[in-house]
Amino acid sequence: NAGVMQNPRHLVRRRGQEARLRCSPMKGHSHVYWYRQLPEEGLKFMVYLQKENIIDESGMPKERFSAEFPKEGPSILRIQQVVRGDSAAYFCASSRERTQETQYFGPGTRLLVL
Amino acid sequence: AQSVTQLDSHVSVSEGTPVLLRCNYSSSYSPSLFWYVQHPNKGLQLLLKYTSAATLVKGINGFEAEFKKSETSFHLTKPSAHMSDAAEYFCVVSHGSSNTGKLIFGQGTTLQVKP
Repeated sequence: NAGVMQNPRHLVRRRGQEARLRCSPMKGHSHVYWYRQLPEEGLKFMVYLQKENIIDESGMPKERFSAEFPKEGPSILRIQQVVRGDSAAYFCASSRERTQETQYFGPGTRLLVL
Repeated sequence: AQSVTQLDSHVSVSEGTPVLLRCNYSSSYSPSLFWYVQHPNKGLQLLLKYTSAATLVKGINGFEAEFKKSETSFHLTKPSAHMSDAAEYFCVVSHGSSNTGKLIFGQGTTLQVKP
């Protein structure tokens, strides 16, 4: 059973470009979480999605960031018009159920904005 | 509101000696608590999980943690450190009161293991 997959593993963008980060959850998991890890910090929750629905986006910046989890295909975290402060590691996690359930993490996408 | 405090940002031990990584939590509800480990430039791996069953939780690689409600602590221990244990460790609480189950992470403790 393959784990959570994220791609790309590393992404370099220039200021003003768009970044698209993909996450494929574990087989049988329909709940996806995105977290951001800034340098020297712990992970911070961004958004929680279930198939075709955003359940909780309380950790998402109000502008430039969006997320989706379509019926078919991976979850996408999209960052428009990136700025240097967006440089971070972005981790996706998935779970089978919602609360009280272990979240399994992907290897992360390390975004560098030049 | 729920929060997690890892009391040490950096812990250094010698190989073969015990490991203690300290964590205190704050929660208005019965929490689920986790310890995750992150090796350099890697993803996070679950070490162990507490969900209101036994208060002493055994995890992988010889780690264990004890849930102490009276002290609101969930310290991680290992009897004998191995070089491969050098990594970043995160104490995590699940926001179980809401419908989301989102995880709240501590700031992390870097474990250094000296030969």
